[in-house]
Amino acid sequence: DADVTQTPRNRITKTGKRIMLECSQTKGHDRMYWYRQDPGLGLRLIYYSFDVKDINKGEISDGYSVSRQAQAKFSLSLESAIPNQTALYFCATSDPTGGSSYNEQFFGPGTRLTVL
Amino acid sequence: DAKTTQPPSMDCAEGRAANLPCNHSTISGNEYVYWYRQIHSQGPQYIIHGLKNNETNEMASLIITEDRKSSTLILPHATLRDTAVYYCIVRGNTGKLIFGQGTTLQVKP
Repeated sequence: DADVTQTPRNRITKTGKRIMLECSQTKGHDRMYWYRQDPGLGLRLIYYSFDVKDINKGEISDGYSVSRQAQAKFSLSLESAIPNQTALYFCATSDPTGGSSYNEQFFGPGTRLTVL
Repeated sequence: DAKTTQPPSMDCAEGRAANLPCNHSTISGNEYVYWYRQIHSQGPQYIIHGLKNNETNEMASLIITEDRKSSTLILPHATLRDTAVYYCIVRGNTGKLIFGQGTTLQVKP
């Protein structure tokens, strides 16, 4: 979905390096999410943010940190990358104003990260 | 949030209906059933969701059993472009989506 962009799309780095993955959205949504996907598995939630001042840990937050710089921007950082953080990373957004019954998430194209 | 169980893979002939089952026996009364799909390694795409009534949109139909312990996603006329991994997700009040491993649907000509 072009409304949710991720940079970079591909990144190869070395163990111990600090890496930042960025997500921007033009949908005007308050809620943003970071997921990782390992080969053959579903997505796992790393962190999520329901508004600019709100940050919450997901299922697998260890080794990661996030920053919500503005409504439209949500960055994921790996302070000291390790090989088992090699994965496909997705950012997503959602709009809660449609009511509790409706929480469609819109996903970005993904960032493929390789840690050597 | 309740967990879901899906078959790991299914095949379907092009032009035929694809019926993808999902068990969610621990679902509670206020939890919604959502379906997403992921084509190759693209970002997942929302398909449909429901609480207890059957739902239909331009992409698919969702049939939820009366006891809400299972559901079926129906793609009425599957095409080759429907080949993807389909995720059945039970979403609770937290708004989080907990993805399982999904069902890989292969549509064959």
